[in-house]
Amino acid sequence: GNSVTQMEGPVTLSEEAFLTINCTYTATGYPSLFWYVQYPGEGLQLLLKATKADDKGSNKGFEATYRKETTSFHLEKGSVQVSDSAVYFCALGDSNYQLIWGAGTKLIIKP
Amino acid sequence: GAGVSQSPSNKVTEKGKDVELRCDPISGHTALYWYRQSLGQGLEFLIYFQGNSAPDKSGLPSDRFSAERTGGSVSTLTIQRTQQEDSAVYLCASSFRPAPAGGHGDTQYFGPGTRLTVL
Repeated sequence: GNSVTQMEGPVTLSEEAFLTINCTYTATGYPSLFWYVQYPGEGLQLLLKATKADDKGSNKGFEATYRKETTSFHLEKGSVQVSDSAVYFCALGDSNYQLIWGAGTKLIIKP
Repeated sequence: GAGVSQSPSNKVTEKGKDVELRCDPISGHTALYWYRQSLGQGLEFLIYFQGNSAPDKSGLPSDRFSAERTGGSVSTLTIQRTQQEDSAVYLCASSFRPAPAGGHGDTQYFGPGTRLTVL
């Protein structure tokens, strides 16, 4: 079946560091891929998405490229800020309307 | 409305009691989803509505769980005879349309969730 695997957290970085959160997936067909973010005390928000191979989603300085050859959708940001501290979820949208979720990666940015 | 709303935001109940959780989707969104997020875990899909009907109820963890949607809008998730393992954050999401065959999922917008604690 379809599944999503993302790197375990927490990930702790200093402000202005480069961020990568790995996400790989297993799927049949041609799923859409998403990154959602959950800030402390808030609900899940869509951060970015990509709907086909080689698409790059981007938002708030974050980027992720849909790599079909490596079945990956790694999240990157060139210079993180304290305000980026949150839990990040990678998800896959399959042909049956469900979102299949990774376990989430907690990101902690220290000033 | 501006976004998906859920009520109550927090619910504490005693084991064996019934609870009802409510979701108001974004106006015009035909698809509505319920998920459960247990502590330290990812999201678990429960049920999905297209209009007022639920094509797939297989994600519901037991027959104590049921959900309905009326008027193509508000949905209620009911848990009967609650157990401690039901404690979790219950999330509702809506999208303009469900994913069509072929796999290009439509963006789901989430509510703030209801934190359920069963004592």
